[in-house]
Amino acid sequence: KQEVTQIPAALSVPEGENLVLNCSFTDSAIYNLQWFRQDPGKGLTSLLLIQSSQREQTSGRLNASLDKSSGRSTLYIAASQPGDSATYLCAVRPTGGGNKLTFGTGTQLKVEL
Amino acid sequence: DVKVTQSSRYLVKRTGEKVFLECVQDMDHENMFWYRQDPGLGLRLIYFSYDVKMKEKGDIPEGYSVSREKKERFSLILESASTNQTSMYLCASTRSGRNEQFFGPGTRLTVL
Repeated sequence: KQEVTQIPAALSVPEGENLVLNCSFTDSAIYNLQWFRQDPGKGLTSLLLIQSSQREQTSGRLNASLDKSSGRSTLYIAASQPGDSATYLCAVRPTGGGNKLTFGTGTQLKVEL
Repeated sequence: DVKVTQSSRYLVKRTGEKVFLECVQDMDHENMFWYRQDPGLGLRLIYFSYDVKMKEKGDIPEGYSVSREKKERFSLILESASTNQTSMYLCASTRSGRNEQFFGPGTRLTVL
């Protein structure tokens, strides 16, 4: 059974710092991996989607990498801002079709002034 | 932009009531999902649907049922609400083969 782990569970950084969030998964047979952002009491916003054949994806200050063989993905946030404060979740989709995602429990990020 | 809407942001119901949560998407997506999110447990899939009138159980279907009569609408039904169903409920949709899931704003349900 696929298990997805995100460490740390919470992170606090000063504004302007570059940071890395980690996502690990136990079964490397994935179709893709998706990073989401969730603000308190709200739904999830899709940030980046990496297909299993890709190594990384970039969107603005965000860069996500994928190392399928080692079961790891990272989300790099450059020049963090207070508006980046949120919970970040990763989710993996298995190979062989199917639309079910397995989610990590998230990293709660706080960017302080 | 894909838009997924949910009928209520907050809902308070009493034990034993029948509860309907509605989800609508406007991008003609084939697949729709219902999750619940609880502290420490993350998101767990309740049911999903890959076509009109089609449904499949997710990881925690007990106590829930679903209905998909139209492509754009996916309803979650709690036949007899219980206090352990107090949770945040999230709906999502995705196009077949397109992969990226889009989420609604969530419904926070409290069962007293």
